[in-house]
Amino acid sequence: QQPVQSPQAVILREGEDAVINCSSSKALYSVHWYRQKHGEAPVFLMILLKGGEQKGHEKISASFNEKKQQSSLYLTASQLSYSGTYFCGTVLLGGAQKLVFGQGTRLTINP
Amino acid sequence: DGGITQSPKYLFRKEGQNVTLSCEQNLNHDAMYWYRQDPGQGLRLIYYSQIVNDFQKGDIAEGYSVSREKKESFPLTVTSAQKNPTAFYLCASSRGTGEGLYGYTFGSGTRLTVV
Repeated sequence: QQPVQSPQAVILREGEDAVINCSSSKALYSVHWYRQKHGEAPVFLMILLKGGEQKGHEKISASFNEKKQQSSLYLTASQLSYSGTYFCGTVLLGGAQKLVFGQGTRLTINP
Repeated sequence: DGGITQSPKYLFRKEGQNVTLSCEQNLNHDAMYWYRQDPGQGLRLIYYSQIVNDFQKGDIAEGYSVSREKKESFPLTVTSAQKNPTAFYLCASSRGTGEGLYGYTFGSGTRLTVV
């Protein structure tokens, strides 16, 4: 079951904040976040496990709401280097041990 | 430095031909994966392997085959049965599966074009 990401695209000015959401209709064990720049491989950002945790990575942080089966990625004071497509990947609770990715959110940061 | 090497970077294939994409990792990771990415879309799982000599079908396995004879290697064959093989193929690995406890490391990808 593919998770649903929103929004599909975001355009920001440097220094502005953004939130990207990832929702699942089924119970999750974990949520991964990756960033992919055009023509390159996705790069791992962080994992969140069931239990409703929050994590941070420089000015990029994320939360996992177990009740809603939703994860949110927060980008604070965005930098030009944050541009790219962000993907969430989910592993279902009690399901096959495979990561299923959302369709991606394209983030564009302008000077 | 450890990482995943995919080769070739670009590959052109004639219709009706099989082609094999290489994926090698020196991270000592147990699990390996193949994903397909189409323009403007997410990554779809083709096959994955948790241990040597064992692999499972992903969501879009039809027209593809894999082998896992060595821990370091997980080649993907795109057969003539794959109706629309033109895509960007990404290989990944992780320390284990463990219900998604470990992040994935991706290779730089192979762009396959059918001519």
